[in-house]
Amino acid sequence: AQKVTQAQTEISVVEKEDVTLDCVYETRDTTYYLFWYKQPPSGELVFLIRRNSFDEQNEISGRYSWNFQKSTSSFNFTITASQVVDSAVYFCALSEGAGGSYIPTFGRGTSLIVHP
Amino acid sequence: DTAVSQTPKYLVTQMGNDKSIKCEQNLGHDTMYWYKQDSKKFLKIMFSYNNKELIINETVPNRFSPKSPDKAHLNLHINSLELGDSAVYFCASSQADRVQETQYFGPGTRLLVL
Repeated sequence: AQKVTQAQTEISVVEKEDVTLDCVYETRDTTYYLFWYKQPPSGELVFLIRRNSFDEQNEISGRYSWNFQKSTSSFNFTITASQVVDSAVYFCALSEGAGGSYIPTFGRGTSLIVHP
Repeated sequence: DTAVSQTPKYLVTQMGNDKSIKCEQNLGHDTMYWYKQDSKKFLKIMFSYNNKELIINETVPNRFSPKSPDKAHLNLHINSLELGDSAVYFCASSQADRVQETQYFGPGTRLLVL
């Protein structure tokens, strides 16, 4: 079973719409970290946010916000008033300590297309 | 200043050839990684090095050989290239091999095997 599930393969919106990208994870650890990365069409992977399992506070950074809910094992990402420059593939990742390997497991990504 | 750099950015080569991709980080990090991203954008870890020592080798064919001459460099050599090796290869680094560490990625090397 996937440890990080991004069920939305592709989302298409029109500029200025709000959009939420879902991320559901699976772990038995009590200490773990969740990440979001952005991969724009130019191809590089850009770190957006890291959240630890003990901090369920939502986070807002400009038009970006993240909703972490342990009860549903979700770490969703919302872009408010989307812009064309938000078009990218977004990856959610989980880092857990079980087995001594801390390599993050990445979801399969959600491709966001923002139309003008 | 580029934090994690890779060369070359593009690599087009024939089947059967041997090629290398270089990676350097100037972040002072202890841990470096190689990832492969396939055509469906799936990111899969290949190798991880901590302080020049191999700590993760994820069932990668032994045609792939990483080499870390020092903490700031992790190179990837590929022998006898096959069509299925065509992908984007990302180098990354993190402060240490710990659960809380954020990975910072290089720009990627787009490998096309003909």
